[in-house]
Amino acid sequence: GDSVTQMEGPVTLSEEAFLTINCTYTATGYPSLFWYVQYPGEGLQLLLKATKADDKGSNKGFEATYRKETTSFHLEKGSVQVSDSAVYFCALSDPKLSFGAGTTVTVRA
Amino acid sequence: DVKVTQSSRYLVKRTGEKVFLECVQDMDHENMFWYRQDPGLGLRLIYFSYDVKMKEKGDIPEGYSVSREKKERFSLILESASTNQTSMYLCASSKDRRGDGYTFGSGTRLTVV
Repeated sequence: GDSVTQMEGPVTLSEEAFLTINCTYTATGYPSLFWYVQYPGEGLQLLLKATKADDKGSNKGFEATYRKETTSFHLEKGSVQVSDSAVYFCALSDPKLSFGAGTTVTVRA
Repeated sequence: DVKVTQSSRYLVKRTGEKVFLECVQDMDHENMFWYRQDPGLGLRLIYFSYDVKMKEKGDIPEGYSVSREKKERFSLILESASTNQTSMYLCASSKDRRGDGYTFGSGTRLTVV
């Protein structure tokens, strides 16, 4: 079945550092890909999405590009802030959402 | 502000009890979902519903059942709670079946003792 694998955490960074969270997927069809974020004490929120190969999703300074050749959707941000501390989930939809294990990111001031 | 509301933030129940987790959405969404969230395992789909009175098993339905008598309400039922059902439970709803635009509730942390 369809599945998502993302890098294990936790990840601890200093403010203004570069963040990358790797995500790869396995799917028989052509899924849409998503990054969801969960801030402490809250439910998940959609961070960004890409619906076809080579699409780039972006939001709040985060970016991810749908790479069909490497079946990847890595999340990047050039300069993180303390407020980016959260759990990040990679997910695919074909059509129901399947999630990766989540990566906990902590940004220190 | 549109939302998905889960009735309890924290619950503690005893082994063998029947447990109801309630979820209500005010967005007139057709689709509703129940996930459980465990460290290192991410979110796993328990049950979902694409319409009133309709329900389908997700990836881990064992030990659970659901009820959807009204469009806005989707209840998760643990018929006889066990300690391995201690977890965070997340409800979600969506208008689009393709996974875009899911709205999640804040979750219910259930502890079974």
